[in-house]
Amino acid sequence: EAQVTQNPRYLITVTGKKLTVTCSQNMNHEYMSWYRQDPGLGLRQIYYSMNVEVTDKGDVPEGYKVSRKEKRNFPLILESPSPNQTSLYFCASSSDLDQTDEQYFGPGTRLTVT
Amino acid sequence: QQQVKQSPQSLIVQKGGISIINCAYENTAFDYFPWYQQFPGKGPALLIAIRPDVSEKKEGRFTISFNKSAKQFSLHIMDSQPGDSATYFCAASMLSGGYQKVTFGTGTKLQVIP
Repeated sequence: EAQVTQNPRYLITVTGKKLTVTCSQNMNHEYMSWYRQDPGLGLRQIYYSMNVEVTDKGDVPEGYKVSRKEKRNFPLILESPSPNQTSLYFCASSSDLDQTDEQYFGPGTRLTVT
Repeated sequence: QQQVKQSPQSLIVQKGGISIINCAYENTAFDYFPWYQQFPGKGPALLIAIRPDVSEKKEGRFTISFNKSAKQFSLHIMDSQPGDSATYFCAASMLSGGYQKVTFGTGTKLQVIP
């Protein structure tokens, strides 16, 4: 089954404790992105990657890091989480080969930073 | 900077009625306009999309109307059903630095009451 998986689905942590949210896709997609979803603000892009070892900042990158060492994986790293990073996070992937530009989203990770 | 404005924020519609969600964009470089549907606890999923060379696209009960001169597009859900209750995001994308960058609206929470 074609899918994007994220782990963990729920995470409660404390300020300053480094964490990683994993993302993996099995569709051989070139493009992967991370978004955060906040009430009244919609989905905002944090980082994206066009291929292995190619990453770039989205609209709200402050406080986040990413890496793309393998095509299928795109982890999101919060080196020193703060309460304003409490949010719902989505990983997404897409291909430039199908001409639809459709993004496939993971199920989300709800993060609470106290 | 909000490049895609979406309204209303929430909408309650009687079963069998028509749901209408509106979006407006600013950047004329946008060339793909998808709508995503998100059920509680799930990631967004592509519902329907349109390119600016057509004024309307219909898929079942869902129709996108597109007004290029006004830089506006809308989603119409005919014969709305309780199963349509979800959050709907409009989006606009354009090629930027070799990547199809997507900008999302703020979302509309639709509730269809029996």
